Amino acid sequence: DGGITQSPKYLFRKEGQNVTLSCEQNLNHDAMYWYRQDPGQGLRLIYYSQIVNDFQKGDIAEGYSVSREKKESFPLTVTSAQKNPTAFYLCASSAPFRGLGTEAFFGQGTRLTVV
Amino acid sequence: AQTVTQSQPEMSVQEAETVTLSCTYDTSENNYYLFWYKQPPSRQMILVIRQEAYKQQNATENRFSVNFQKAAKSFSLKISDSQLGDTAMYFCAFMKRPGRGGATNKLIFGTGTLLAVQP
Repeated sequence: DGGITQSPKYLFRKEGQNVTLSCEQNLNHDAMYWYRQDPGQGLRLIYYSQIVNDFQKGDIAEGYSVSREKKESFPLTVTSAQKNPTAFYLCASSAPFRGLGTEAFFGQGTRLTVV
Repeated sequence: AQTVTQSQPEMSVQEAETVTLSCTYDTSENNYYLFWYKQPPSRQMILVIRQEAYKQQNATENRFSVNFQKAAKSFSLKISDSQLGDTAMYFCAFMKRPGRGGATNKLIFGTGTLLAVQP
């Protein structure tokens, strides 16, 4: 079955450590996104990528980094520079418009907690 | 820059009744898409309905329909015959129509409306 897989589902990080969240899709989508979700703030865009080896900062990119070496994969690293990393992280993908339908498909999310 | 506003943080509706969730957006673009996503307690984001801005006809998906007012930049979601399974957070989202070559653009979300369907 096609879809987006995020791992792990729950992640605990000690202060000062970098952690990497995985996102893999087998939908053959060109575009991929990372969002952060906090209570009362909806989904805020961290980074997005339109094609392999290319990505753009979203609204809250500070303290995060990404790579896009393969079409299927778009990992997100939360660095020690991110001051308040505890949140729910969602990965999504979409296909550029070639007709009807350009909606994003989402993974099940990763809950990151700093301990 | 585009913004999406959902002014109703929480709403409640009785089972089998109809409820309308509001969404307004701000953009200078003429070609774009609007979406409603549902996030149930499982936190899996699910597409509810999609509207292309160049289409005047309001989109409909079974019990879900939209009232798209382009001039007013309003995009409300109506849920008819509400069911307990409709209990979820609902997000309105905006995307500028991709440019030549299919390059995509940012998908921008509102802050969400938490809908509770009461038995």
